[in-house]
Amino acid sequence: EDQVTQSPEALRLQEGESSSLNCSYTVSGLRGLFWYRQDPGKGPEFLFTLYSAGEEKEKERLKATLTKKESFLHITAPKPEDSATYLCAVQSGGSYIPTFGRGTSLIVHP
Amino acid sequence: EADIYQTPRYLVIGTGKKITLECSQTMGHDKMYWYQQDPGMELHLIHYSYGVNSTEKGDLSSESTVSRIRTEHFPLTLESARPSHTSQYLCASTSHGNQPQHFGDGTRLSIL
Repeated sequence: EDQVTQSPEALRLQEGESSSLNCSYTVSGLRGLFWYRQDPGKGPEFLFTLYSAGEEKEKERLKATLTKKESFLHITAPKPEDSATYLCAVQSGGSYIPTFGRGTSLIVHP
Repeated sequence: EADIYQTPRYLVIGTGKKITLECSQTMGHDKMYWYQQDPGMELHLIHYSYGVNSTEKGDLSSESTVSRIRTEHFPLTLESARPSHTSQYLCASTSHGNQPQHFGDGTRLSIL
């Protein structure tokens, strides 16, 4: 059974204070690891897909990395508008059902 | 710009009523999903579909049913709403298993 654990559950940062969110996973044959951003009252919004260990993706202040056991979402010099819940999900081979983590709630104070 | 639409966005209704939550997507995706999400909790899969006339139950038994008569439309029906059904319901779609899901903005359902 695929499992995804995200840490920390909640993170408070000052504007400009860089940090990382963790997504640890166990999966039988990784087909893809996905990062989403979810704002209150909205559905998750896709950020990145990572397919193999060593892969990295960047978008503005966000950078996602992947190893065989975990993925990190690095946030560089965050701004208050980066406040949201960040979800991680994995897709295993032979399945069209992704497994989601509980998310990390990020609050960036001005 | 949303390519997947859910209606209504909010619904407050009494116990025992029959409810249908609508979900439509314009991307031509074969695979569609319904999730239930409570605050601070992970998404729980309720139902999914791999194409027209294909529907399966997910891990969470929510006493609901779905239909997939057209590719773009995947409604969720609660035959008799109960307070335990109070939650946010999210609809999603994707084209392939290794592609990300596209989500609607959800329906927040409150059963009195």
